[in-house]
Amino acid sequence: GENVEQHPSTLSVQEGDSAVIKCTYSDSASNYFPWYKQELGKGPQLIIDIRSNVGEKKDQRIAVTLNKTAKHFSLHITETQPEDSAVYFCAASIGTGTASKLTFGTGTRLQVTL
Amino acid sequence: GAVVSQHPSWVICKSGTSVKIECRSLDFQATTMFWYRQFPKQSLMLMATSNEGSKATYEQGVEKDKFLINHASLTLSTLTVTSAHPEDSSFYICSAPPPGQGKNEQFFGPGTRLTVL
Repeated sequence: GENVEQHPSTLSVQEGDSAVIKCTYSDSASNYFPWYKQELGKGPQLIIDIRSNVGEKKDQRIAVTLNKTAKHFSLHITETQPEDSAVYFCAASIGTGTASKLTFGTGTRLQVTL
Repeated sequence: GAVVSQHPSWVICKSGTSVKIECRSLDFQATTMFWYRQFPKQSLMLMATSNEGSKATYEQGVEKDKFLINHASLTLSTLTVTSAHPEDSSFYICSAPPPGQGKNEQFFGPGTRLTVL
């Protein structure tokens, strides 16, 4: 089955700096790669996603890049703010139907300090 | 975006009792819903896929007789933890994908924290 690795496990940046989180996946058939933000005691919230036919996607301060050849994708957060502090999870799935399972990475705890 | 709710948000029960958790898609119909379990400081682990009108599909190592799933309607799936024990204490989260071909996004509920004494 699919295996998703995520690094780093913890990341501390100063407010205004950029943060980068990286994930690798094992199954070359994976074609959908979402990123979720999870605050303490809450469910994951989708913040951005990318499909295998796209190399990069940006939404304001957040961007995701995908390298299919190397089977890795990254989350980039620019101009970080204290409210960006949370746990971020990458995930990967195969298929285009509604029954596609997500395989999650191990998570990155991001702390943005003042 | 699509909204998924869960009830209750937290529950405390005695060992040996059963607990039911509800997952609802509020503004869309979901023929499939997913149930995850998350232990403290760990990732989400898929437990089972809930299918409307048919049996749930369980992941390897998940006891189907212990974690009963019923997807009775297009907007409601329930997870019942039977004969709960302290090791079942965890954060249970459901998700549902919005309908439509080519869409494999999943929207997650707020989670239910189960504590078994």
